[in-house]
Amino acid sequence: DSGVTQTPKHLITATGQRVTLRCSPRSGDLSVYWYQQSLDQGLQFLIQYYNGEERAKGNILERFSAQQFPDLHSELNLSSLELGDSALYFCASSASGKLDTQYFGPGTRLTVL
Amino acid sequence: AQSVTQLGSHVSVSEGALVLLRCNYSSSVPPYLFWYVQYPNQGLQLLLKYTTGATLVKGINGFEAEFKKSETSFHLTKPSAHMSDAAEYFCAVSGSGTYKYIFGTGTRLKVLA
Repeated sequence: DSGVTQTPKHLITATGQRVTLRCSPRSGDLSVYWYQQSLDQGLQFLIQYYNGEERAKGNILERFSAQQFPDLHSELNLSSLELGDSALYFCASSASGKLDTQYFGPGTRLTVL
Repeated sequence: AQSVTQLGSHVSVSEGALVLLRCNYSSSVPPYLFWYVQYPNQGLQLLLKYTTGATLVKGINGFEAEFKKSETSFHLTKPSAHMSDAAEYFCAVSGSGTYKYIFGTGTRLKVLA
């Protein structure tokens, strides 16, 4: 158990809908990262937050957004969902003093029908 | 820019045989290198990492990797494969700054009885 929690574990929804994925980092970790894992794109970095501030952006679609709250949990919002958004979404966290090492949550499997 | 190449999307070894999973990287800054393992329907677990210092890195479950700057490689090895090693293995690179990971495409390891 990495100490990173993600909810829900599974999510099934329809095209055009909006969903919110939640991540709680390890206790004390200030940095949160979101990744998408799909069969055709592999594991791709989406976005990073550090202590509430956006730190880096990767291949994140404009329909996707994220935020990190004062209690350090993070949410990834996916809107106008398309079939191609079906994937496993991982959250990872790292400690402020050890930004190099990320600890991954179990992931949320999103299925868009 | 950073990138990772994992040679061989599928590798099969006999139980007790040497495991060798290949990873080559490209990085314009001193790299941090990682190997993660993903078991079916689970998140990513850190096996080992190289940031600075000793180039031969030992990880969990008997795995080790050697950072070879001249060859831009970070291959993962284990002297004797166990059935429980069957999983997908990902090599990742990051660097100072945002510390976002760039992942390879993964290698699925099959261990034959």
